[in-house]
Amino acid sequence: EAGVVQSPRYKIIEKKQPVAFWCNPISGHNTLYWYLQNLGQGPELLIRYENEEAVDDSQLPKDRFSAERLKGVDSTLKIQPAELGDSAVYLCASSPRDRDNEQFFGPGTRLTVL
Amino acid sequence: QKEVEQDPGPLSVPEGAIVSLNCTYSNSAFQYFMWYRQYSRKGPELLMYTYSSGNKEDGRFTAQVDKSSKYISLFIRDSQPSDSATYLCAMNTGANSKLTFGKGITLSVRP
Repeated sequence: EAGVVQSPRYKIIEKKQPVAFWCNPISGHNTLYWYLQNLGQGPELLIRYENEEAVDDSQLPKDRFSAERLKGVDSTLKIQPAELGDSAVYLCASSPRDRDNEQFFGPGTRLTVL
Repeated sequence: QKEVEQDPGPLSVPEGAIVSLNCTYSNSAFQYFMWYRQYSRKGPELLMYTYSSGNKEDGRFTAQVDKSSKYISLFIRDSQPSDSATYLCAMNTGANSKLTFGKGITLSVRP
């Protein structure tokens, strides 16, 4: 069974530039999550999807961050414009329906904003 | 005070040692407790998952939850160099609620 796929693995951009991250969850997993992980910290939830519906986006900074999961499968997280403080690892995870306690994480995208 | 506090690291032990990793929490509504392992430049991987108080064993790993003290532990027996990683505790209030993670502790097992 293929795991959660994320791309790109690494991204370096200059501040004020836009950036997008892509995630393909494990096949059959209805729930998809985007997390932010700063160095030396645990992951923090940005947004959670049930199929194509964002059911928890309370921690997503909506002035510059946006996400979509149009067909309820893969998802894109965008930052526009990026700031220096956005440098972090962006993790995608998925879980089967009603099993939020069994989340499978992708390898993450390491973003560096210069 | 953060909802979940994890012992600061890093931790270095010799191969074969018993390792104890601990977290405390402040939210008494937490019911589900998880331990994740994260290798360098990889995503977290679920190791153990327990509900409410008690112990759960899986091979060399034992997860322990004491809800009365708001304290959880992960024990690793006969530690191996391959156990060298960052260990994150996580918990939530219900099956469909947000996971709250600790900061993680980096473990190094010396051959």
